[in-house]
Amino acid sequence: SQQGEEDPQALSIQEGENATMNCSYKTSINNLQWYRQNSGRGLVHLILIRSNEREKHSGRLRVTLDTSKKSSSLLITASRAADTASYFCAFGMEYGNKLVFGAGTILRVKS
Amino acid sequence: ETGVTQTPRHLVMGMTNKKSLKCEQHLGHNAMYWYKQSAKKPLELMFVYNFKEQTENNSVPSRFSPECPNSSHLFLHLHTLQPEDSALYLCASSQDGASSTDTQYFGPGTRLTVL
Repeated sequence: SQQGEEDPQALSIQEGENATMNCSYKTSINNLQWYRQNSGRGLVHLILIRSNEREKHSGRLRVTLDTSKKSSSLLITASRAADTASYFCAFGMEYGNKLVFGAGTILRVKS
Repeated sequence: ETGVTQTPRHLVMGMTNKKSLKCEQHLGHNAMYWYKQSAKKPLELMFVYNFKEQTENNSVPSRFSPECPNSSHLFLHLHTLQPEDSALYLCASSQDGASSTDTQYFGPGTRLTVL
């Protein structure tokens, strides 16, 4: 299967703590993206990291990519209650425009 | 709002009904996508349209029939569905669909229940 795998499936933390989510994949990729989904809503693009990049930052988000281990992590620092959502990794195949999504991590930030 | 709208937001239908889902994007994009999101499963790509031409059909059963009359509108026609087709159907668009690095913008989805 080309599907990505994410862990943990669910994460519950206190406001102010950091949250780390991991994603692994099996094939060669062109890029890896992270999306966020609030309950029952559409996905919102957060950040994209290309296969030749190792780390990328955007505000409180930090993404790393290790192509040798075929894995990525998303770190949200100083979490807020509003960060409560599902987070999905999606990897772009080496050729074409397809994105393959992982099963997601449900993050709950308690205030 | 992302600039992608979907109607209806909720739909309940019987297995013998025919209904259509509508997606409209106001972003000037040329690629549009249909995804299915079932509980506890990864998002599944169903169809991709690029400049109104279908470029991807991910082995979707023929009871789902997409239509893309122009780059701004995408429909998903439904007929004789099964209860296991109940899911959140998400529409997305991107600039031109030439590369997976194109950011996809999602609509809020249509929650479909098949009785």
